[in-house]
Amino acid sequence: DAKTTQPTSMDCAEGRAANLPCNHSTISGNEYVYWYRQIHSQGPQYIIHGLKNNETNEMASLIITEDRKSSTLILPHATLRDTAVYYCIVRLNAGGTSYGKLTFGQGTILTVHP
Amino acid sequence: GAGVSQSPSNKVTEKGKDVELRCDPISGHTALYWYRQRLGQGLEFLIYFQGNSAPDKSGLPSDRFSAERTGESVSTLTIQRTQQEDSAVYLCASSPKVGRGSYEQYFGPGTRLTVT
Repeated sequence: DAKTTQPTSMDCAEGRAANLPCNHSTISGNEYVYWYRQIHSQGPQYIIHGLKNNETNEMASLIITEDRKSSTLILPHATLRDTAVYYCIVRLNAGGTSYGKLTFGQGTILTVHP
Repeated sequence: GAGVSQSPSNKVTEKGKDVELRCDPISGHTALYWYRQRLGQGLEFLIYFQGNSAPDKSGLPSDRFSAERTGESVSTLTIQRTQQEDSAVYLCASSPKVGRGSYEQYFGPGTRLTVT
């Protein structure tokens, strides 16, 4: 799986948009971009994933550049409960389903402050 | 519905003892994963089960580590002759085979293992 690079930490004011960048310059054509987050003392939680089109769900939006070498996770209205470590992961999907391990890096520590 | 559950939530053991950690996946999920997370670190993959296929054991750090899964239900991770470097949070995740949510891995709360 392709390696990802994320900033170590970021701050965001409550109610503002949080934009978390991720570089994955060695991504291959059939690899997806996944985002998970881990709130303190909890297991990781899936947020969103995409291949090349921008994606949006009830939690966040994912913007993938045209060359797919980087992406941005957007939390449109950050709350204090969004304080967590955010992991950007790149991996293969097989046959329309998604198996196999997730390779977690160090992630970005997002702190949302009042 | 019920999520992934793990037991015990905390385990303190003496160096050299064996420990068993349990994972109950979400009902109907065919894929089950074990990960380890040392303090301040990211998650490390340990092992993956998918239905009746041979498990992917590529992440197990040594032969002291083993895991079993009965069908598509409970899994146990066993660590023999525990060492202090085994201290970590052990996380279990499950994933459905097809359908909505098939791209997601659902994680349990983890078992915090402390080896003294």
